[in-house]
Amino acid sequence: QKEVEQNSGPLSVPEGAIASLNCTYSDRGSQSFFWYRQYSGKSPELIMFIYSNGDKEDGRFTAQLNKASQYVSLLIRDSQPSDSATYLCAVISNYQLIWGAGTKLIIKP
Amino acid sequence: EAGVAQSPRYKIIEKRQSVAFWCNPISGHATLYWYQQILGQGPKLLIQFQNNGVVDDSQLPKDRFSAERLKGVDSTLKIQPAKLEDSAVYLCASSSRGTSTDTQYFGPGTRLTVL
Repeated sequence: QKEVEQNSGPLSVPEGAIASLNCTYSDRGSQSFFWYRQYSGKSPELIMFIYSNGDKEDGRFTAQLNKASQYVSLLIRDSQPSDSATYLCAVISNYQLIWGAGTKLIIKP
Repeated sequence: EAGVAQSPRYKIIEKRQSVAFWCNPISGHATLYWYQQILGQGPKLLIQFQNNGVVDDSQLPKDRFSAERLKGVDSTLKIQPAKLEDSAVYLCASSSRGTSTDTQYFGPGTRLTVL
């Protein structure tokens, strides 16, 4: 059973600080990794994807991938109250997208 | 570009009743997905279509769930008969090719409550 694990939270971060979200996966053969944001009562929307080891930056968001340790993380710099949401990690395993349960992030003004 | 459309947005039924959901993917997207998302969990893939063929339905409870995509465009998902544990949000998503690097775009979902 391929698994994607995330801390359910909630993770509380002060406004303006860096929020760090982590995800581990069990399938060592996984190649593609995605972070989705889901506001309460809304559908998931893609924030970032990463395929290669290392960091990938997009605005205030940085995805970090370490295939040897089988974890992927998402950093949000200068956190804003509008970043408060559940962040879902998803991993391609055997051509199927396997989802974590998500981490609830709360940005406190 | 219009997004993924789903209807209805909300549905309340009693157990043992039947229900159907409809999805229209983004124009030109070959791959369509139906997910079930129970509160507090990540989405769970029920079925994946590539054009009008089924790619993966390994997690679809086939004794009560069925889905079709007859013309390779829109799709319906049916539950018959519904159980209490089917209460969830049913998400439809589409992607252009269905490859491992493709982005999936989600519709607004249908929130199903089974009483």
